[in-house]
Amino acid sequence: AQSVTQPDIHITVSEGASLELRCNYSYGATPYLFWYVQSPGQGLQLLLKYFSGDTLVQGIKGFEAEFKRSQSSFNLRKPSVHWSDAAEYFCAVVSYGGSQGNLIFGKGTKLSVKP
Amino acid sequence: DAGVTQSPTHLIKTRGQQVTLRCSPKSGHDTVSWYQQALGQGPQFIFQYYEEEERQRGNFPDRFSGHQFPNYSSELNVNALLLGDSALYLCASSLTGGHRFNTEAFFGQGTRLTVV
Repeated sequence: AQSVTQPDIHITVSEGASLELRCNYSYGATPYLFWYVQSPGQGLQLLLKYFSGDTLVQGIKGFEAEFKRSQSSFNLRKPSVHWSDAAEYFCAVVSYGGSQGNLIFGKGTKLSVKP
Repeated sequence: DAGVTQSPTHLIKTRGQQVTLRCSPKSGHDTVSWYQQALGQGPQFIFQYYEEEERQRGNFPDRFSGHQFPNYSSELNVNALLLGDSALYLCASSLTGGHRFNTEAFFGQGTRLTVV
């Protein structure tokens, strides 16, 4: 069955430090992968997506992610975290036979930023 | 350009009651998907509407039903509410436009439903 695993429930980093959020997926074919961010009480905002081609994808707000098929991973990175990055981050994959509107999400990683 | 709008923002209902949530998609979008996000969890796909028909459905009981109108807006109805239905309900819109895969999905800010 298709699934997305985000191993870290909560991560705390210092402002200015680098960040890596982990995402592993289980999918039988070439996956379409996404990272979304959710601020408290808000909806989801798309940070970046991977469909094919270059395995390193750039997103908004200085985020990037690298697709590694051999590891079934799609980790999110940012070289220098800002206090405004504190939020919950969700990795998602398109469901079989689905469209970009039919996504399977991980349980999320909550990011806290220390001053 | 207005994004995806949902109403109401908050709602409190009693067990056994029925509720209707509303969603207006982003301008130019024709497809609406609904998700349920329980506290501390990721969103779970409920169903998707396109051309006024339910196109795909997740693992939710028949108590969850929906509708899409000719202007592409959508409603989510939940009957016989249970305490476990308390969650943030998210609407996402996208454009199918005759293609198999939609464009990127844009999410609304959600409706927080509390069942007491």
